[in-house]
Amino acid sequence: NAGVTQTPKFQVLKTGQSMTLQCAQDMNHNSMYWYRQDPGMGLRLIYYSASEGTTDKGEVPNGYNVSRLNKREFSLRLESAAPSQTSVYFCASVARDRGWTEAFFGQGTRLTVV
Amino acid sequence: QKEVEQNSGPLSVPEGAIASLNCTYSDRGSQSFFWYRQYSGKSPELIMFIYSNGDKEDGRFTAQLNKASQYVSLLIRDSQPSDSATYLCAVTVGYSTLTFGKGTMLLVSP
Repeated sequence: NAGVTQTPKFQVLKTGQSMTLQCAQDMNHNSMYWYRQDPGMGLRLIYYSASEGTTDKGEVPNGYNVSRLNKREFSLRLESAAPSQTSVYFCASVARDRGWTEAFFGQGTRLTVV
Repeated sequence: QKEVEQNSGPLSVPEGAIASLNCTYSDRGSQSFFWYRQYSGKSPELIMFIYSNGDKEDGRFTAQLNKASQYVSLLIRDSQPSDSATYLCAVTVGYSTLTFGKGTMLLVSP
């Protein structure tokens, strides 16, 4: 049972380049989330998908887009990367239909924009 | 805007002592409360959750919730060096998103 799998684990981008962070879960959860974590800032929500076919903005959505491809997969895209997007990105999935039990996190993607 | 506040620390305790981690939240409608542990360079993992006022114990960990004071805490008894990590408090209102505090770093010295 893999849980939540994120790819890639590390990435270096040049300013203006684009990339997509991939996230897949095999726990049949309805809800999936993208967070970024910066030193001293905690986890901040970028976008979330409460169920397949829906997406909503979180606290810091500017510069990002998301796609809920199917129930398993939720991707995060940076169209034109900026140094301010240097961060660690975490994907999480939650069994929303049973109330809040446990949010499972992927291993994170460490992104550096130069 | 929901806010979750934590002292950033570090909180330093000797091995065997009780570590007390605190968290306050601004939204009185918050219903569910979570404590996550995050080791350096790793992803957060759930330690405990609590929904009702009072105490909830799980091994060496006790979560305490006081909704009137909008306060949730985590006690770690018999602290071990392996407990050294950042502890994240998180809250949610119903099925809404999970809002995290900035975390408290705990250092347990041998």
